[in-house]
Amino acid sequence: ETGVTQSPTHLIKTRGQQVTLRCSSQSGHNTVSWYQQALGQGPQFIFQYYREEENGRGNFPPRFSGLQFPNYSSELNVNALELDDSALYLCASSHSGAITGELFFGEGSRLTVL
Amino acid sequence: RKEVEQDPGPFNVPEGATVAFNCTYSNSASQSFFWYRQDCRKEPKLLMSVYSSGNEDGRFTAQLNRASQYISLLIRDSKLSDSATYLCVVLLNTGFQKLVFGTGTRLLVSP
Repeated sequence: ETGVTQSPTHLIKTRGQQVTLRCSSQSGHNTVSWYQQALGQGPQFIFQYYREEENGRGNFPPRFSGLQFPNYSSELNVNALELDDSALYLCASSHSGAITGELFFGEGSRLTVL
Repeated sequence: RKEVEQDPGPFNVPEGATVAFNCTYSNSASQSFFWYRQDCRKEPKLLMSVYSSGNEDGRFTAQLNRASQYISLLIRDSKLSDSATYLCVVLLNTGFQKLVFGTGTRLLVSP
C-alpha cells in the first residue's frame, strides 16, 4: 500500500454536473500529480501541485481545476461534466518538485458520467 | 503523434515463455525511462527503471536505445502472476517535470 488515499472510490454523475475528487498524499510527499485514465488508455497528465501552487498542466480545459492544501492533500474539480470525462482519476504523490520517476499512486476514483 | 507509443496487445503466452514488449518515444528531450505495471482495475506501480546500459531485475530485462528512441522490456520464464498491463513511461522536463505514459501493453499468461 502506497499511503496515498483517494475518495470517493466510485461515483456516478450526469452531464453538466460538477465533481470534486480528493487525495491525501503519502507522508512526507509535498507534490501531487493528477492523471486521467480512460478505458484502454494509459494515464494522461492533468496537472501537478507543489507547495499549494499549480506548477504544470497537461492538455486539459480550464473546467479541470485543482487545489493543494497546507497538509499537501489535494482536490481535483471538474465542472460541466461531459460523457468523455468518464474515467479513472489517479492521484500520485512524490517528494519535492523534482520527480525521480517513481510516483506513488492511489487506487483512483472511478467516475461515470451519464 | 503520441509521445509514447506501444503495441496494446494483448500478448497471449503460455507459462514459461519469453515475451518482449517494445515502445518508442517521440521527444528527444526525454530524460529518464521506466516500465510500470498495472493490474486490472488497480493503480500503476513502478516495475523498473531503464538505463542505456541495459538493466536486469530477476526475470525482467529492460533496454534503452536513445539513438532510435526505443525502449524494450523482456520477461523470461513467464508466470501466471505476470498477467497485467505494462506501461512504458518517460520523464519529460518542459519547464516542470512530468511522467508521460504509453497506452500500455496487455499480457495474458496462460497455464
